[in-house]
Amino acid sequence: DGGITQSPKYLFRKEGQNVTLSCEQNLNHDAMYWYRQDPGQGLRLIYYSQIVNDFQKGDIAEGYSVSREKKESFPLTVTSAQKNPTAFYLCASSIGDRKNEKLFFGSGTQLSVL
Amino acid sequence: AQSVAQPEDQVNVAEGNPLTVKCTYSVSGNPYLFWYVQYPNRGLQFLLKYITGDNLVKGSYGFEAEFNKSQTSFHLKKPSALVSDSALYFCAVSDSSGSARQLTFGSGTQLTVLP
Repeated sequence: DGGITQSPKYLFRKEGQNVTLSCEQNLNHDAMYWYRQDPGQGLRLIYYSQIVNDFQKGDIAEGYSVSREKKESFPLTVTSAQKNPTAFYLCASSIGDRKNEKLFFGSGTQLSVL
Repeated sequence: AQSVAQPEDQVNVAEGNPLTVKCTYSVSGNPYLFWYVQYPNRGLQFLLKYITGDNLVKGSYGFEAEFNKSQTSFHLKKPSALVSDSALYFCAVSDSSGSARQLTFGSGTQLTVLP
């Protein structure tokens, strides 16, 4: 979707295990975002990054960690501290200034607990 | 705190009939309002956005949305529904910063267009 690649499409986590979701974009966008989607709920912001080597917590950051070492990449680690990790995870990037900002989404990763 | 309500979890409409997906919002100041569409196991796609100006906003795939400030609503509409319009639709609101960091999404409305 729009030059944002998320992998894997499906991921299974064992109890106590950390897992990392990949997000790569070739759109040359500065800002990147991670959202969590649960059935019957809207998207909730986990983390976002405006520039390389900088990221900020969103509304539900507990149990997650991110890095932004390259402009193109924004991996999300779901740690063992996240007790309810089963959800659909969406990565997005954006272009434009604040008033004209437009989000582009990847196809998502479905994370399930074994 | 800002919020978005999509009062209908499911909307069914016959192909060729007009469709409406409802959205109401609450935010301080002037709102930025968005509609996104999600097809199964895919990311969200941008449909349209209201910033200011005309209350009727035209977007992709023949969709439009009507902003009503007094009713704090931003309903999505299409004059003639297609089976391919069947998808999950999300309304979202941002405060006057317009920033994606401030976006609040509704819970989504599943639209099914029946042939």
